[in-house]
Amino acid sequence: GAVVSQHPSWVICKSGTSVKIECRSLDFQATTMFWYRQFPKQSLMLMATSNEGSKATYEQGVEKDKFLINHASLTLSTLTVTSAHPEDSSFYICSAPPPGHSPLHFGNGTRLTVT
Amino acid sequence: DQQVKQNSPSLSVQEGRISILNCDYTNSMFDYFLWYKKYPAEGPTFLISISSIKDKNEDGRFTVFLNKSAKHLSLHIVPSQPGDSAVYFCAASMNRDDKIIFGKGTRLHILP
Repeated sequence: GAVVSQHPSWVICKSGTSVKIECRSLDFQATTMFWYRQFPKQSLMLMATSNEGSKATYEQGVEKDKFLINHASLTLSTLTVTSAHPEDSSFYICSAPPPGHSPLHFGNGTRLTVT
Repeated sequence: DQQVKQNSPSLSVQEGRISILNCDYTNSMFDYFLWYKKYPAEGPTFLISISSIKDKNEDGRFTVFLNKSAKHLSLHIVPSQPGDSAVYFCAASMNRDDKIIFGKGTRLHILP
């Protein structure tokens, strides 16, 4: 079945540094990938839609300069949290739609802790 | 403005009984509905979906019912098993390839 891989699974960084999270579709190509974040006991909130070969589409209230998204190839999208602050600590999850109108498959998420 | 609502944050059900998780939505443009199961520190796992042209879809122990006029859907799990204990998210999208919007989830506890 379709597999979406996310790396790293967890990361701890200091305030002010940047962190890159990778999302790969392992056995299918994805022109679109979606980035979500989840706060404790909250829903998964869509942050942005990553589009291969063009700019990402950000949801209202998400700072595009802070959350840089690059969809460099048909199997890789990256999310970079720039100048991270403790309030950016969260669980970030990516997803991609497999071919054939199959439901979105999700990566296993990245737990980011900013100290 | 929450477009997908799961009003029960938690639900406890005896093993072997039926679990019924409910979901309401407000956007009439939603055309495709999904249920995902999630464990802590993991990504959501797809369970079952239904398109707006149907009112029921069944897959093994899982059945999803859709009432378009009421903008309501429900997930039935029968019989409930201990491994079903998890958080269940209801989700909706305007078509199969579009972004999906999640509810806040319902934590299901299956009691022995």
